[in-house]
Amino acid sequence: AQSVTQLGSHVSVSEGALVLLRCNYSSSVPPYLFWYVQYPNQGLQLLLKYTSAATLVKGINGFEAEFKKSETSFHLTKPSAHMRDAAEYFCAVSDLASGTYKYIFGTGTRLKVLA
Amino acid sequence: DAGITQSPRHKVTETGTPVTLRCHQTENHRYMYWYRQDPGHGLRLIHYSYGVKDTDKGEVSDGYSVSRSKTEDFLLTLESATSSQTSVYFCAVTGGGYNEQFFGPGTRLTVL
Repeated sequence: AQSVTQLGSHVSVSEGALVLLRCNYSSSVPPYLFWYVQYPNQGLQLLLKYTSAATLVKGINGFEAEFKKSETSFHLTKPSAHMRDAAEYFCAVSDLASGTYKYIFGTGTRLKVLA
Repeated sequence: DAGITQSPRHKVTETGTPVTLRCHQTENHRYMYWYRQDPGHGLRLIHYSYGVKDTDKGEVSDGYSVSRSKTEDFLLTLESATSSQTSVYFCAVTGGGYNEQFFGPGTRLTVL
């Protein structure tokens, strides 16, 4: 069965500092992986996706993630945090094996950006 | 935004009453999903649909039913609401070439 683990339910960084949000997955087949962002009182917005093309994936708002098969990881990074990055971030893996396009979500990481 | 709307956006109801939430999409997507979001749990799948009248259970389906009589509408019903069903409910569709899911704005449901 596929699963996703997000380490750290809360992460705080200073404005201008590196953002690193961790995601590890478990999958019996090559996965499709996704990062979503949720701003307060809003729905989820797709940040970026890994679909087995390039291992380093660039997304919106300056975020990127690197797929590392050997570490079963898909960590999200941004070189310089901005106040507007404060939000909750979710990692998800697509359940390709079932053929239903279902996602398995991590429990989320809330990012706080300190002035 | 994949043309997804949810109604109502907020609802307060009492224990034991039936509640129906509606998800409406305008882009003819085949797959639709209902999730609930709770602190510490992320998003959990309640039910999903892979076509008109074709639905299946997710991981937290107890106490919920769904119906899809038209491509554009996916209804979630709580037959007899309980306080444990207080949550934020999101509808999603699969629309991209790589199974991307696109989400509606959510419905905040409070069961007193």
